Amino acid sequence: DVKVTQSSRYLVKRTGEKVFLECVQDMDHENMFWYRQDPGLGLRLIYFSYDVKMKEKGDIPEGYSVSREKKERFSLILESASTNQTSMYLCASSPETVGNQPQHFGDGTRLSIL
Amino acid sequence: DAKTTQPNSMESNEEEPVHLPCNHSTISGTDYIHWYRQLPSQGPEYVIHGLTSNVNNRMASLAIAEDRKSSTLILHRATLRDAAVYYCILRWQGGSEKLVFGKGTKLTVNP
Repeated sequence: DVKVTQSSRYLVKRTGEKVFLECVQDMDHENMFWYRQDPGLGLRLIYFSYDVKMKEKGDIPEGYSVSREKKERFSLILESASTNQTSMYLCASSPETVGNQPQHFGDGTRLSIL
Repeated sequence: DAKTTQPNSMESNEEEPVHLPCNHSTISGTDYIHWYRQLPSQGPEYVIHGLTSNVNNRMASLAIAEDRKSSTLILHRATLRDAAVYYCILRWQGGSEKLVFGKGTKLTVNP
């Protein structure tokens, strides 16, 4: 089975801090994704990566950056955390982005910014 | 991605079969039907997908109507662990980077 592991289930940080969320997948997938999920807004794509050192903006990249130095690891960085970034953050991976390939998700990080 | 319509909620009893419907009347010939579920406080979990033929895996079965305008996810024997929100989505064969979930169906399983 595919395993996507997010470094923390729960995280509390302060406004203005730089926050790192880590994600590791063990299936040698090419593609990795970061989403956030908020009540009433569903899943929103922040960034994705289709190869090492490659990244593409999703729908809501403002205030975030990403890093993919190794194929199995995709990091999400909140440059200066703000309260409106309090959310559930979900990492996913897939072998390709074609329509017959599912995305496999981690358990999520519930991030609170105080 | 084309639109899907699901009931807001359904209830089932433990160890009984569950049929979760999904309507997708505007589906195109190159759209795959995917199902995910999300247990409370967890990330979404891929369940099954198909294009035209019915599909089975260890988690569930997917029955696709002949005209492909609807599909049904079948859980053969519901357990308490199956209580979750179930999402039916369409994905274009050519692919796109993001998943777009609707409101889904909240399944309650009674002991």
